[in-house]
Amino acid sequence: DSGVTQTPKHLITATGQRVTLRCSPRSGDLSVYWYQQSLDQGLQFLIQYYNGEERAKGNILERFSAQQFPDLHSELNLSSLELGDSALYFCASSLEGGGATEAFFGQGTRLTVV
Amino acid sequence: AQSVTQLDSHVSVSEGTPVLLRCNYSSSYSPSLFWYVQHPNKGLQLLLKYTSAATLVKGINGFEAEFKKSETSFHLTKPSAHMSDAAEYFCVVSDPLGSARQLTFGSGTQLTVLP
Repeated sequence: DSGVTQTPKHLITATGQRVTLRCSPRSGDLSVYWYQQSLDQGLQFLIQYYNGEERAKGNILERFSAQQFPDLHSELNLSSLELGDSALYFCASSLEGGGATEAFFGQGTRLTVV
Repeated sequence: AQSVTQLDSHVSVSEGTPVLLRCNYSSSYSPSLFWYVQHPNKGLQLLLKYTSAATLVKGINGFEAEFKKSETSFHLTKPSAHMSDAAEYFCVVSDPLGSARQLTFGSGTQLTVLP
């Protein structure tokens, strides 16, 4: 168990809808990262938050947004969903925002858009 | 900019024989390098990490990796494969970009262990 909790584990929704994925980082970790894993694109970095502030952006679509709350949990909001958004979404956390500290991953949320 | 190339998408070995999963990286900085493993329907688990200390890094479950700067490689090895090692393995590079950091994943190597 990595200590990173993601909910829900599975989500099935229709095209055009909006969903929210939730992540609770390991106790004491200040950084949260979101990744998308799909068969055709592999594991892609979406966005990073550090202590409530956006720190880095990757290949995140404009239809997607995220935030990190004062208690350090994070939410990833996906809107106007398309079939191609079906993927496994991982959250990871680490102690610091820079340097060589490793990231610990949650079990992921499997999103299916129908 | 940073990138990772995993040279084999699939590797198949017999139980009890050595495992070699190959990884080359490209980085503008002195990189941190990691290997993660993903078992079916599971999250990503850290196997080991290199952070500019010893070039030979030992990880969990008998895995180790050697950082070779001259070859820009970070290959993962294990002397004797076990059935439970069957999984997908990801080589990951991390560059500190000022105060930000993001992990760049390789495309993964699927390891099959034959009885």
